[in-house]
Amino acid sequence: AQSVTQLGSHVSVSEGALVLLRCNYSSSVPPYLFWYVQYPNQGLQLLLKYTSAATLVKGINGFEAEFKKSETSFHLTKLSAHMSDAAEYFCAVSSRSGTYKYIFGTGTRLKVLA
Amino acid sequence: DAGVIQSPRHEVTEMGQEVTLRCKPISGHDYLFWYRQTMMRGLELLIYFNNNVPIDDSGMPEDRFSAKMPNASFSTLKIQPSEPRDSAVYFCASKPSAVSTDTQYFGPGTRLTVL
Repeated sequence: AQSVTQLGSHVSVSEGALVLLRCNYSSSVPPYLFWYVQYPNQGLQLLLKYTSAATLVKGINGFEAEFKKSETSFHLTKLSAHMSDAAEYFCAVSSRSGTYKYIFGTGTRLKVLA
Repeated sequence: DAGVIQSPRHEVTEMGQEVTLRCKPISGHDYLFWYRQTMMRGLELLIYFNNNVPIDDSGMPEDRFSAKMPNASFSTLKIQPSEPRDSAVYFCASKPSAVSTDTQYFGPGTRLTVL
């Protein structure tokens, strides 16, 4: 069975600092992986996704993530945090077998300090 | 494109009442998903449809929950009777096709409070 673990339910960074949000997956075969962002009182919005074309994936708003099979990880990074990045971030895994179901992590709430 | 539309955005009801949540997917999308988000359980998939047909309802918590998709542009999630533990944010999402890498597009959610 697939699963995804997000380490750290809350992360605080200073404005301008590096953002690192961790995601590890468990799957018998490399899955498809997604990062979504949820701003307060809004739905989820796709940041980026890994579909095996390239291990380093660039997304919107300056975010990127690197798929590391050896570490079963797909951590999300941004070089310089902005106040507008404050939100909740979800990692999700989807099987290649076509069940079309996402398994979501528990989310990481990012706080950006002025 | 208007995106996925959900109504109402907020619903407050009393225990025992029937609640109906509504969703209009993005035009042309073949897949529709209903999720529930709570602090305790995070985001859970309740049910999903392909071309208006329910494919997997294994996430529906109990018989009090039912979902329908009478046509390609409308779906409902009904709770009857509602209970306080049903309080959550309910999201609808749609996806274009059967390609596994397709993005799911989420609506803004309905915040349900059952008193």
